Amino acid sequence: DTAVSQTPKYLVTQMGNDKSIKCEQNLGHDTMYWYKQDSKKFLKIMFSYNNKELIINETVPNRFSPKSPDKAHLNLHINSLELGDSAVYFCASSLRQVLQGGEQFFGPGTRLTVL
Amino acid sequence: DAKTTQPPSMDCAEGRAANLPCNHSTISGNEYVYWYRQIHSQGPQYIIHGLKNNETNEMASLIITEDRKSSTLILPHATLRDTAVYYCIVSNYGQNFVFGPGTRLSVLP
Repeated sequence: DTAVSQTPKYLVTQMGNDKSIKCEQNLGHDTMYWYKQDSKKFLKIMFSYNNKELIINETVPNRFSPKSPDKAHLNLHINSLELGDSAVYFCASSLRQVLQGGEQFFGPGTRLTVL
Repeated sequence: DAKTTQPPSMDCAEGRAANLPCNHSTISGNEYVYWYRQIHSQGPQYIIHGLKNNETNEMASLIITEDRKSSTLILPHATLRDTAVYYCIVSNYGQNFVFGPGTRLSVLP
């Protein structure tokens, strides 16, 4: 059973489109995250949700909007896609918040390519 | 930007200990040191973390210097499956949780 799953694995789309990436965890964790790994391989946290409440919101354009319908899901919606949004997006979850020293479990990633 | 400095690459013979260094000279008192690794095309995998004391688990040991300005991750008996990029991260209560370029460890047969 996959602990943290993401769909789709690959996403190719045109500039200006709106797209969503879904994430689900079956670990019973309270906290979920979205990360972006750019072409230089830097992996940066974008958002963190704890019990469906936004905890961390790093400097990310307003075009990115996370949505957490329940504790097990954290979806990422991106409006008006730009070329610079091309990256691999990872979802993660943890039992405790990172700020409490929590170990994070990562999904397999979604490779987004904007043409 | 990442607050840590790691060598870009290292080699290790299979079966030997792999010692991966990390400098974090600007670490503050409430920041943890985390280690993760990323095997090609997969999501990062947690290895270990610590605050002040040395830590050991089934995967690795973490040695943190007394001044906390550097640390070393030790894989006691490296195998070919340990070939990966290893990331050292210092976390200020979840903010600026940035994985830098890491160290690409190649375990050689």
